[in-house]
Amino acid sequence: SQQGEEDPQALSIQEGENATMNCSYKTSINNLQWYRQNSGRGLVHLILIRSNEREKHSGRLRVTLDTSKKSSSLLITASRAADTASYFCATDALSSGNTGKLIFGQGTTLQVKP
Amino acid sequence: KAGVTQTPRYLIKTRGQQVTLSCSPISGHRSVSWYQQTPGQGLQFLFEYFSETQRNKGNFPGRFSGRQFSNSRSEMNVSTLELGDSALYLCASRPDVGGNQPQHFGDGTRLSIL
Repeated sequence: SQQGEEDPQALSIQEGENATMNCSYKTSINNLQWYRQNSGRGLVHLILIRSNEREKHSGRLRVTLDTSKKSSSLLITASRAADTASYFCATDALSSGNTGKLIFGQGTTLQVKP
Repeated sequence: KAGVTQTPRYLIKTRGQQVTLSCSPISGHRSVSWYQQTPGQGLQFLFEYFSETQRNKGNFPGRFSGRQFSNSRSEMNVSTLELGDSALYLCASRPDVGGNQPQHFGDGTRLSIL
């Protein structure tokens, strides 16, 4: 079963606004990763945050992790039309033993209007 | 550096047939994972291979199998195809099986079962 739950399922904003997506998971993790998927394409890795980290930045992206609440958030600042895509969180559970098994959330579909 | 390459991009089969999908990882990457993506179930882990050995397998029937060659290229096979096997099949690679490594995805093979 899916470990990650994301909200909102869909988000529509204007260019220049910020977008925040949230992810919750169920079991202890090694790390949590965020991916982007454009329609009909593969997944693009955005950020990996380890279980002992609380916040990480990459360009316009900011990810937070709260292991006590088993939740994470992805903030995209100053959004652009090109950010329109689906965003997925994925957890690398401790129980998977580094076998490459990622458990994905259902994703948030982001639409950025020009 | 070339990314993960999956062939073919699109495939149409009928029920009862079998199919083989191919994945070439990023040069130097030795771990390959496979995922199935459907609208209903989302992204689900199929299996991971490293050094020609399957290290983990998801909750899929035995009709789904895979293998990895000495050059790290991987194939997955689905026998006795069912309508529910229609999906986007994604392959991902990472350098090795150490912890906290992002996975790099190909654009997938879209399999349609008639």
